[in-house]
Amino acid sequence: LAKTTQPISMDSYEGQEVNITCSHNNIATNDYITWYQQFPSQGPRFIIQGYKTKVTNEVASLFIPADRKSSTLSLPRVSLSDTAVYYCLVGDRNSGNTPLVFGKGTRLSVIA
Amino acid sequence: KAGVTQTPRYLIKTRGQQVTLSCSPISGHRSVSWYQQTPGQGLQFLFEYFSETQRNKGNFPGRFSGRQFSNSRSEMNVSTLELGDSALYLCASSLEPGLTTDTQYFGPGTRLTVL
Repeated sequence: LAKTTQPISMDSYEGQEVNITCSHNNIATNDYITWYQQFPSQGPRFIIQGYKTKVTNEVASLFIPADRKSSTLSLPRVSLSDTAVYYCLVGDRNSGNTPLVFGKGTRLSVIA
Repeated sequence: KAGVTQTPRYLIKTRGQQVTLSCSPISGHRSVSWYQQTPGQGLQFLFEYFSETQRNKGNFPGRFSGRQFSNSRSEMNVSTLELGDSALYLCASSLEPGLTTDTQYFGPGTRLTVL
Protein backbone atom coordinates (compact mmCIF):
# COMPACT_ATOMS: atom_id res chain seq x y z
CA LEU A 1 0.00 0.00 0.00
CA ALA A 2 1.53 3.29 -1.14
CA LYS A 3 2.42 5.72 1.64
CA THR A 4 2.08 9.44 1.23
CA THR A 5 4.09 12.38 2.49
CA GLN A 6 2.60 15.85 2.81
CA PRO A 7 3.71 19.05 4.53
CA ILE A 8 2.37 19.18 8.06
CA SER A 9 1.06 22.72 7.74
CA MET A 10 0.76 25.65 5.38
CA ASP A 11 -0.34 29.25 5.75
CA SER A 12 -1.91 31.41 3.07
CA TYR A 13 -3.63 34.77 2.73
CA GLU A 14 -7.14 35.06 1.48
CA GLY A 15 -7.44 35.30 -2.28
CA GLN A 16 -4.20 33.47 -2.99
CA GLU A 17 -3.83 30.20 -4.85
CA VAL A 18 -2.66 27.36 -2.63
CA ASN A 19 -0.78 24.33 -3.89
CA ILE A 20 -0.35 21.32 -1.61
CA THR A 21 2.02 18.66 -2.87
CA CYS A 22 1.87 15.02 -1.89
CA SER A 23 4.66 12.50 -2.49
CA HIS A 24 3.80 8.88 -3.17
CA ASN A 25 6.94 7.26 -4.52
CA ASN A 26 5.62 3.70 -4.27
CA ILE A 27 2.34 4.27 -6.06
CA ALA A 28 1.11 1.15 -7.86
CA THR A 29 -0.10 0.97 -11.42
CA ASN A 30 -3.76 0.65 -10.44
CA ASP A 31 -3.71 3.22 -7.64
CA TYR A 32 -5.81 6.36 -7.85
CA ILE A 33 -5.02 9.58 -6.00
CA THR A 34 -7.76 11.07 -3.87
CA TRP A 35 -7.88 14.23 -1.79
CA TYR A 36 -10.16 14.91 1.15
CA GLN A 37 -10.83 18.04 3.21
CA GLN A 38 -11.72 17.85 6.88
CA PHE A 39 -13.00 20.48 9.26
CA PRO A 40 -12.76 19.97 13.04
CA SER A 41 -15.19 17.39 14.41
CA GLN A 42 -16.60 16.62 10.96
CA GLY A 43 -16.12 13.77 8.56
CA PRO A 44 -13.67 14.17 5.65
CA ARG A 45 -15.22 15.61 2.51
CA PHE A 46 -14.21 14.30 -0.91
CA ILE A 47 -12.55 16.99 -3.02
CA ILE A 48 -11.06 15.43 -6.11
CA GLN A 49 -9.67 12.23 -7.54
CA GLY A 50 -7.37 11.48 -10.45
CA TYR A 51 -5.09 8.95 -12.10
CA LYS A 52 -2.80 11.01 -14.35
CA THR A 53 -2.30 14.44 -15.92
CA LYS A 54 -4.81 17.05 -14.75
CA VAL A 55 -8.25 16.88 -13.26
CA THR A 56 -10.39 19.92 -12.50
CA ASN A 57 -13.73 20.36 -10.80
CA GLU A 58 -15.64 23.26 -9.33
CA VAL A 59 -13.51 23.48 -6.19
CA ALA A 60 -9.97 22.36 -7.07
CA SER A 61 -7.50 21.07 -9.61
CA LEU A 62 -5.27 18.05 -9.30
CA PHE A 63 -1.97 17.89 -11.17
CA ILE A 64 -0.26 14.55 -11.58
CA PRO A 65 3.09 14.29 -13.43
CA ALA A 66 3.83 11.49 -15.83
CA ASP A 67 5.74 9.39 -13.29
CA ARG A 68 2.82 9.70 -10.82
CA LYS A 69 5.20 9.78 -7.86
CA SER A 70 3.65 12.98 -6.62
CA SER A 71 0.52 15.04 -7.01
CA THR A 72 -0.45 18.64 -6.33
CA LEU A 73 -3.79 19.85 -5.12
CA SER A 74 -4.46 23.40 -6.24
CA LEU A 75 -7.05 25.55 -4.51
CA PRO A 76 -7.74 28.78 -6.40
CA ARG A 77 -8.32 32.00 -4.46
CA VAL A 78 -8.72 30.51 -0.98
CA SER A 79 -10.99 32.04 1.62
CA LEU A 80 -11.09 31.77 5.41
CA SER A 81 -13.56 28.89 5.08
CA ASP A 82 -10.88 26.80 3.35
CA THR A 83 -9.00 26.52 6.64
CA ALA A 84 -8.98 22.77 7.21
CA VAL A 85 -6.86 19.64 7.10
CA TYR A 86 -6.26 18.20 3.64
CA TYR A 87 -5.50 14.52 3.16
CA CYS A 88 -3.90 12.87 0.16
CA LEU A 89 -4.57 9.17 -0.29
CA VAL A 90 -3.47 6.67 -2.88
CA GLY A 91 -5.00 3.29 -3.34
CA ASP A 92 -6.93 0.92 -5.49
CA ARG A 93 -10.44 0.24 -4.24
CA ASN A 94 -10.72 -2.48 -6.86
CA SER A 95 -7.94 -4.60 -5.43
CA GLY A 96 -8.52 -7.37 -2.93
CA ASN A 97 -8.34 -6.27 0.62
CA THR A 98 -6.64 -2.92 0.64
CA PRO A 99 -8.26 -0.18 2.69
CA LEU A 100 -7.34 3.43 2.11
CA VAL A 101 -4.80 4.73 4.60
CA PHE A 102 -4.98 8.28 5.86
CA GLY A 103 -1.73 10.03 6.70
CA LYS A 104 -1.37 13.03 8.99
CA GLY A 105 -2.64 15.45 6.36
CA THR A 106 -1.75 19.10 5.76
CA ARG A 107 -3.23 21.70 8.06
CA LEU A 108 -4.00 24.75 5.92
CA SER A 109 -4.55 28.05 7.71
CA VAL A 110 -5.98 30.89 5.68
CA ILE A 111 -5.31 34.32 7.07
CA ALA A 112 -7.34 37.46 6.37
CA LYS B 1 -29.58 12.60 -2.46
CA ALA B 2 -29.12 12.39 1.30
CA GLY B 3 -25.60 11.90 2.58
CA VAL B 4 -24.24 9.38 5.02
CA THR B 5 -26.00 9.61 8.37
CA GLN B 6 -24.66 8.47 11.70
CA THR B 7 -26.46 8.10 14.98
CA PRO B 8 -26.08 9.13 17.65
CA ARG B 9 -23.92 12.19 17.05
CA TYR B 10 -22.68 12.33 20.62
CA LEU B 11 -22.38 9.66 23.27
CA ILE B 12 -21.00 9.52 26.78
CA LYS B 13 -20.27 6.16 28.38
CA THR B 14 -18.30 4.87 31.33
CA ARG B 15 -15.49 2.35 31.33
CA GLY B 16 -16.63 -1.24 31.00
CA GLN B 17 -19.85 -0.41 29.22
CA GLN B 18 -20.56 -1.28 25.63
CA VAL B 19 -21.81 0.92 22.83
CA THR B 20 -23.45 0.50 19.44
CA LEU B 21 -23.11 3.08 16.70
CA SER B 22 -25.22 3.18 13.58
CA CYS B 23 -24.52 4.25 10.02
CA SER B 24 -26.90 4.65 7.10
CA PRO B 25 -25.06 4.87 3.77
CA ILE B 26 -25.97 6.99 0.79
CA SER B 27 -28.85 5.43 -1.11
CA GLY B 28 -27.52 2.84 -3.54
CA HIS B 29 -24.18 2.49 -1.79
CA ARG B 30 -23.38 -1.04 -0.76
CA SER B 31 -20.04 -0.67 0.98
CA VAL B 32 -19.62 0.77 4.46
CA SER B 33 -16.30 1.41 6.18
CA TRP B 34 -15.64 2.51 9.73
CA TYR B 35 -12.77 4.65 10.98
CA GLN B 36 -11.63 5.87 14.37
CA GLN B 37 -10.11 9.33 14.65
CA THR B 38 -8.14 10.52 17.66
CA PRO B 39 -5.76 13.49 18.01
CA GLY B 40 -2.83 11.19 18.61
CA GLN B 41 -3.37 8.47 16.02
CA GLY B 42 -5.28 10.31 13.35
CA LEU B 43 -7.74 8.46 11.12
CA GLN B 44 -7.45 4.71 11.50
CA PHE B 45 -9.34 2.10 9.53
CA LEU B 46 -11.50 -0.26 11.59
CA PHE B 47 -13.32 -2.46 9.08
CA GLU B 48 -15.29 -2.51 5.87
CA TYR B 49 -18.49 -4.32 5.01
CA PHE B 50 -19.88 -5.11 1.59
CA SER B 51 -22.97 -7.18 0.90
CA GLU B 52 -23.28 -8.03 4.60
CA THR B 53 -19.77 -9.52 4.67
CA GLN B 54 -16.69 -8.08 6.33
CA ARG B 55 -14.34 -7.35 3.47
CA ASN B 56 -11.39 -6.02 5.41
CA LYS B 57 -10.34 -5.37 8.98
CA GLY B 58 -7.84 -3.03 10.57
CA ASN B 59 -5.59 -3.62 13.56
CA PHE B 60 -8.05 -3.20 16.38
CA PRO B 61 -8.81 -5.61 19.24
CA GLY B 62 -11.74 -7.97 19.13
CA ARG B 63 -13.74 -5.61 21.34
CA PHE B 64 -14.49 -3.73 18.15
CA SER B 65 -16.98 -5.47 15.92
CA GLY B 66 -19.45 -4.60 13.24
CA ARG B 67 -22.10 -5.89 10.96
CA GLN B 68 -24.05 -4.88 7.91
CA PHE B 69 -27.69 -5.47 7.20
CA SER B 70 -29.40 -6.37 3.94
CA ASN B 71 -30.34 -2.73 3.37
CA SER B 72 -26.61 -1.83 3.62
CA ARG B 73 -27.03 -0.06 6.95
CA SER B 74 -24.21 -0.87 9.32
CA GLU B 75 -23.59 -0.94 13.02
CA MET B 76 -20.38 -1.11 14.98
CA ASN B 77 -20.11 -2.26 18.55
CA VAL B 78 -17.44 -1.64 21.12
CA SER B 79 -17.55 -3.79 24.22
CA THR B 80 -15.82 -3.26 27.55
CA LEU B 81 -15.08 0.37 26.82
CA GLU B 82 -11.72 1.83 27.78
CA LEU B 83 -10.74 5.46 28.24
CA GLY B 84 -8.66 5.23 25.07
CA ASP B 85 -11.75 4.45 23.02
CA SER B 86 -12.80 8.08 23.28
CA ALA B 87 -12.74 9.26 19.70
CA LEU B 88 -14.67 10.43 16.69
CA TYR B 89 -16.03 7.38 14.90
CA LEU B 90 -16.57 7.92 11.22
CA CYS B 91 -18.52 5.92 8.74
CA ALA B 92 -17.92 6.10 5.00
CA SER B 93 -19.99 4.61 2.22
CA SER B 94 -19.23 3.86 -1.39
CA LEU B 95 -20.99 2.24 -4.31
CA GLU B 96 -18.95 -0.91 -4.66
CA PRO B 97 -15.30 -1.61 -3.91
CA GLY B 98 -14.93 -3.47 -7.20
CA LEU B 99 -15.22 -0.23 -9.14
CA THR B 100 -11.88 1.24 -10.13
CA THR B 101 -12.79 4.78 -9.10
CA ASP B 102 -14.94 3.82 -6.14
CA THR B 103 -15.04 6.89 -3.90
CA GLN B 104 -15.83 6.89 -0.19
CA TYR B 105 -18.13 9.53 1.25
CA PHE B 106 -18.01 10.20 4.96
CA GLY B 107 -20.70 10.88 7.50
CA PRO B 108 -20.49 13.53 10.23
CA GLY B 109 -19.23 11.06 12.81
CA THR B 110 -20.20 10.00 16.30
CA ARG B 111 -18.26 11.61 19.11
CA LEU B 112 -17.78 8.98 21.83
CA THR B 113 -16.52 10.03 25.23
CA VAL B 114 -15.59 7.35 27.76
CA LEU B 115 -15.40 8.46 31.39
